Amino acid sequence: AQSVSQHNHHVILSEAASLELGCNYSYGGTVNLFWYVQYPGQHLQLLLKYFSGDPLVKGIKGFEAEFIKSKFSFNLRKPSVQWSDTAEYFCAAGSGGGADGLTFGKGTHLIIQP
Amino acid sequence: EAGVAQSPRYKIIEKRQSVAFWCNPISGHATLYWYQQILGQGPKLLIQFQNNGVVDDSQLPKDRFSAERLKGVDSTLKIQPAKLEDSAVYLCASSLRRDSRFYEQYFGPGTRLTVT
Repeated sequence: AQSVSQHNHHVILSEAASLELGCNYSYGGTVNLFWYVQYPGQHLQLLLKYFSGDPLVKGIKGFEAEFIKSKFSFNLRKPSVQWSDTAEYFCAAGSGGGADGLTFGKGTHLIIQP
Repeated sequence: EAGVAQSPRYKIIEKRQSVAFWCNPISGHATLYWYQQILGQGPKLLIQFQNNGVVDDSQLPKDRFSAERLKGVDSTLKIQPAKLEDSAVYLCASSLRRDSRFYEQYFGPGTRLTVT
């Protein structure tokens, strides 16, 4: 069965700290991977996506993620967080080769303290 | 480019009542998805349409949930009768086309349903 697991449900950091949010997936066949963000009061927005090629993917707002096939992981990173990064972060996976529905993790609630 | 539109934004009903949600995808997007997001969890796919045909409804509780996408544009998701456990945010998303290798799903603001 397809599944996505996120390691931390709640993370609290101070501004300028480095961030790494864990994501592991279990998927048969080729997989496409995504990180979505939901800021307070707003809808889900795409941060970055991986389909193929360079396993280090850069997204918006200084975020990046690394696809490690041997570890079935797709961790999200940011070297220095800001207060405005406070949000809910979701890792998601979809089958390669088609725009099928996504399987989401439970999300990580990130709070950045000023 | 206008985003995915959903209405209503909020709905409160009593159990055993019926409710309907409406979604208008981004213009030109052939694929439309409905997700259910229960508090504290990630979105779960309920149904996927390609134009006006159903691609995947394996996780749709068909005894009470139904969805349609007439004319391949707008879509309606209905719950009849509602149960307490249906309280959730119902998200609509759309993508350009199903066979695109680099598809991206765009999400609407969601409808928050409370069943009392």
